[in-house]
Amino acid sequence: TQLLEQSPQFLSIQEGENLTVYCNSSSVFSSLQWYRQEPGEGPVLLVTVVTGGEVKKLKRLTFQFGDARKDSSLHITAAQPGDTGLYLCAGEGYQKVTFGTGTKLQVIP
Amino acid sequence: GAVVSQHPSWVICKSGTSVKIECRSLDFQATTMFWYRQFPKQSLMLMATSNEGSKATYEQGVEKDKFLINHASLTLSTLTVTSAHPEDSSFYICSARRGSEKLFFGSGTQLSVL
Repeated sequence: TQLLEQSPQFLSIQEGENLTVYCNSSSVFSSLQWYRQEPGEGPVLLVTVVTGGEVKKLKRLTFQFGDARKDSSLHITAAQPGDTGLYLCAGEGYQKVTFGTGTKLQVIP
Repeated sequence: GAVVSQHPSWVICKSGTSVKIECRSLDFQATTMFWYRQFPKQSLMLMATSNEGSKATYEQGVEKDKFLINHASLTLSTLTVTSAHPEDSSFYICSARRGSEKLFFGSGTQLSVL
């Protein structure tokens, strides 16, 4: 069983602050995705990282895939209330996609 | 972009009845569909992987006789929760992909069993 642990589990910060969410596993993944989910809706893909050590930027969001392709991080700069949501990492391997434990982010105006 | 339609979006049923949830890929042929369940404020837990024309592969701890999955065509997979009980109440989400391409998610089904 492939397990993906995310930390922190919950995060409440003020608007304008920076934050980092971590996604760790003992398994190697062929790719890793980050999603954001709103209550009552399906997850929305933010990014896919494939190569070990890869860094991708999406406006104020920076994603990094670990060299060994076992872990990843999501860094948000100058968080805004619109960033509030459940952030999920998901690893692909053995023909299936397994989700991390999730990080609930709240950005207070 | 590709669209995955999930129906119904919410359903309330009596304990002991069966409920069917449909997942359709509207503009692509989904060779693989995944079914997840999600409890409030928790992550998505993979229940099973469904490949068109073959039996679904269930994750450990998921009862295949209770959660019947059918993937009879390249655009439709169904999840039937048989003899539903209150503990089956959850948010169920499907996702679909063609080959190893990008994964597309349905909008989810909120099941409430009374």
